[in-house]
Amino acid sequence: DTAVSQTPKYLVTQMGNDKSIKCEQNLGHDTMYWYKQDSKKFLKIMFSYNNKELIINETVPNRFSPKSPDKAHLNLHINSLELGDSAVYFCASSQENRDYEQYFGPGTRLTVT
Amino acid sequence: RKEVEQDPGPFNVPEGATVAFNCTYSNSASQSFFWYRQDCRKEPKLLMSVYSSGNEDGRFTAQLNRASQYISLLIRDSKLSDSATYLCVVLRPGFQKLVFGTGTRLLVSP
Repeated sequence: DTAVSQTPKYLVTQMGNDKSIKCEQNLGHDTMYWYKQDSKKFLKIMFSYNNKELIINETVPNRFSPKSPDKAHLNLHINSLELGDSAVYFCASSQENRDYEQYFGPGTRLTVT
Repeated sequence: RKEVEQDPGPFNVPEGATVAFNCTYSNSASQSFFWYRQDCRKEPKLLMSVYSSGNEDGRFTAQLNRASQYISLLIRDSKLSDSATYLCVVLRPGFQKLVFGTGTRLLVSP
């Protein structure tokens, strides 16, 4: 059973489109995250949710909107995609009070053309 | 200055070699440090935590030097399967947020 899963694994789309990435974890964790890893392999946090509540919101364009329908799911919707949004997006989760031990999903490789 | 800095490498070593990576961090208030491993085109995974007293897990040893604000990872008797990118990670104090270095790439050859 996959602990943290993301769909889709690959996403190729044109500039200006709107797309969503879904994430689910079956670990019973309370906290979920979205990270962006750019072409230089720099992994940076975008958002963090704890029990469906937003707790970290980095300086991310408001074209990016996370949604957590329940504590096992954290989706990422991106409006008006730009070339610079091309990256690998990782979802992760952790137990409360063990924020350092994060379990990552396999990543979604987004290419904007 | 980046919050966490690492030499990107790659470090090319033969099997059986000992290799060490260093990482520096800028926030002197940081308390918690970790090494994650990321295989090519895969997700990062926690390798080990770094304690003030140093800690060892098999062939891997992690150490922390608070005075100089650097963290090290030593791998003994390198295996082909150790080839990966090693990410130095700091837990930003007060925000419970992990800050990742850009990683050091290790290539172990036969």
